[in-house]
Amino acid sequence: EPEVTQTPSHQVTQMGQEVILRCVPISNHLYFYWYRQILGQKVEFLVSFYNNEISEKSEIFDDQFSVERPDGSNFTLKIRSTKLEDSAMYFCASTTASLAPLHFGNGTRLTVT
Amino acid sequence: GENVGLHLPTLSVQEGDNSIINCAYSNSASDYFIWYKQESGKGPQFIIDIRSNMDKRQGQRVTVLLNKTVKHLSLQIAATQPGDSAVYFCAENRHDMRFGAGTRLTVKP
Repeated sequence: EPEVTQTPSHQVTQMGQEVILRCVPISNHLYFYWYRQILGQKVEFLVSFYNNEISEKSEIFDDQFSVERPDGSNFTLKIRSTKLEDSAMYFCASTTASLAPLHFGNGTRLTVT
Repeated sequence: GENVGLHLPTLSVQEGDNSIINCAYSNSASDYFIWYKQESGKGPQFIIDIRSNMDKRQGQRVTVLLNKTVKHLSLQIAATQPGDSAVYFCAENRHDMRFGAGTRLTVKP
């Protein structure tokens, strides 16, 4: 069964550094998402992406965040200058249609020191 | 503001019993709801979904009930097994999928 894959599984970075989290969505999917989950808390929506542009973004997704689909297979989340509070699991998801279940990757654990 | 929330943060059941996990939503415009299961160290995994034009949907050992009058969603798991132990999230979709706080289900052998 096709999967959403995310790399790396764990990223450690120093405060103020830039990080890029990578995702390969399922190949025939058209809608792409990033979520984050702080340890022990709920899954929080960050951004959705369709037709090469952002569809929706939450209040969390400020100017420090950006997304890109640089080619036909990758979907990336960039955090320009990481803060301690950015430490969380970041999940990528994709789906075929707007009213269809999201398929999630297993996440990247970001630790900001 | 609009939110998706859960009544109980934890639920403990005996193996073989039925489990019921509840969820309240406040966005009356939501038209699609999903239950996800999240095991430790993994991403959320789709269990079952329901559209707002339905009030019940059944899957294998799981049933989702939707009560639009009181904006309530529930997940019923029949004959709960140890492998069902996980955190369960309801999610609503109006423009994008938004998750509730989650309920941790623990199955006692």
